[in-house]
Amino acid sequence: KAGVTQTPRYLIKTRGQQVTLSCSPISGHRSVSWYQQTPGQGLQFLFEYFSETQRNKGNFPGRFSGRQFSNSRSEMNVSTLELGDSALYLCASFPTGMNTEAFFGQGTRLTVV
Amino acid sequence: GQSLEQPSEVTAVEGAIVQINCTYQTSGFYGLSWYQQHDGGAPTFLSYNGLDGLEETGRFSSFLSRSDSYGYLLLQELQMKDSASYFCAVRDRGSGYSTLTFGKGTMLLVSP
Repeated sequence: KAGVTQTPRYLIKTRGQQVTLSCSPISGHRSVSWYQQTPGQGLQFLFEYFSETQRNKGNFPGRFSGRQFSNSRSEMNVSTLELGDSALYLCASFPTGMNTEAFFGQGTRLTVV
Repeated sequence: GQSLEQPSEVTAVEGAIVQINCTYQTSGFYGLSWYQQHDGGAPTFLSYNGLDGLEETGRFSSFLSRSDSYGYLLLQELQMKDSASYFCAVRDRGSGYSTLTFGKGTMLLVSP
């Protein structure tokens, strides 16, 4: 069974630009969450989606948005990029039902210059 | 909100035993999980405690005490490959179904 796939793996953008990151969860998983990881702050929750609905949102500005498609694939978008948005963005998928384990993708390393 | 505290760094030698502690403040949660992340890699699930007590999985064990708001990950027979960051995490009641709140991670350095 294929794991969680995130594309692209690496991205360099300039301040003010926008970026879209993609996440394909494990087949059959309908729940997807996004996290931002930085050296100083650890893993911080961004969004959670289930069946195309956003169920929860973390404490991030409105420049961060996301969505989920009917095939459970998810995208997140960051507009008007700032230097502080440089981070590893991780996607995690969960199987349906009460479960204890999150399956993470390799992440997208975003560098804003 | 949720808050989890863990040491930033722990060092040990091969073959030794190390314990990584996690204390938390939360209004209610389903259980405490542990994840391992090698540098630049994806976090991978290690262990979960839904109930108080000890869970053992090979060389790794995890413990939870809800009354003490405390848990730990115990790594035995340390190997060089265990050098990584370890995160405790909770999935809290009342928020999204699969929202995890993580501690800031403990970097484990295993030396020969």
